[in-house]
Amino acid sequence: DAKTTQPPSMDCAEGRAANLPCNHSTISGNEYVYWYRQIHSQGPQYIIHGLKNNETNEMASLIITEDRKSSTLILPHATLRDTAVYYCIVRQIEGGSQGNLIFGKGTKLSVKP
Amino acid sequence: DGGITQSPKYLFRKEGQNVTLSCEQNLNHDAMYWYRQDPGQGLRLIYYSQIVNDFQKGDIAEGYSVSREKKESFPLTVTSAQKNPTAFYLCASSARQETYGYTFGSGTRLTVV
Repeated sequence: DAKTTQPPSMDCAEGRAANLPCNHSTISGNEYVYWYRQIHSQGPQYIIHGLKNNETNEMASLIITEDRKSSTLILPHATLRDTAVYYCIVRQIEGGSQGNLIFGKGTKLSVKP
Repeated sequence: DGGITQSPKYLFRKEGQNVTLSCEQNLNHDAMYWYRQDPGQGLRLIYYSQIVNDFQKGDIAEGYSVSREKKESFPLTVTSAQKNPTAFYLCASSARQETYGYTFGSGTRLTVV
């Protein structure tokens, strides 16, 4: 089973920041937080991942709380093309071994004009 | 360009027939995965392979079979034993030591008629 909890849906106005929350209260010390998104009828696309520190790339920012029990994915200026299902996943990485990605139901983000 | 290719995009099967879904990657990735997605649901892991000639069952392997004779290829056979095969099937790959997650194909939509 997925180890994360996300709201089933969210709306965001075009041009505004979209903040997608995720709870992972049982996360272990060697588990990373990953975010993927899936546009309708396509394969999921990697967005960002992090362990403890906040992360930023060209697509998004990831804010992880100090206790690591929750995180927020931020799309700074949402566009209509950001409408998708966003998945928050915790994944074990230790030494040379990586755990499989386990997907929950995600959050369906609808960006509206 | 490197990538992962699934074919066909749409597939129709009569009840009682086996069908094989193709997945090919030219990313030189060691690991490959098959997921199933039902409408409104997240992805569920069917089978995965970390190395050539080796594979493991995921969460919902019953009624499916795979082979991994070449690094580039990981075909999935949906057998007549799969009671509800109509779904969207996604293939993914990853490098063994990577931490950036998986690269997904564009999926095959299987419909049993």
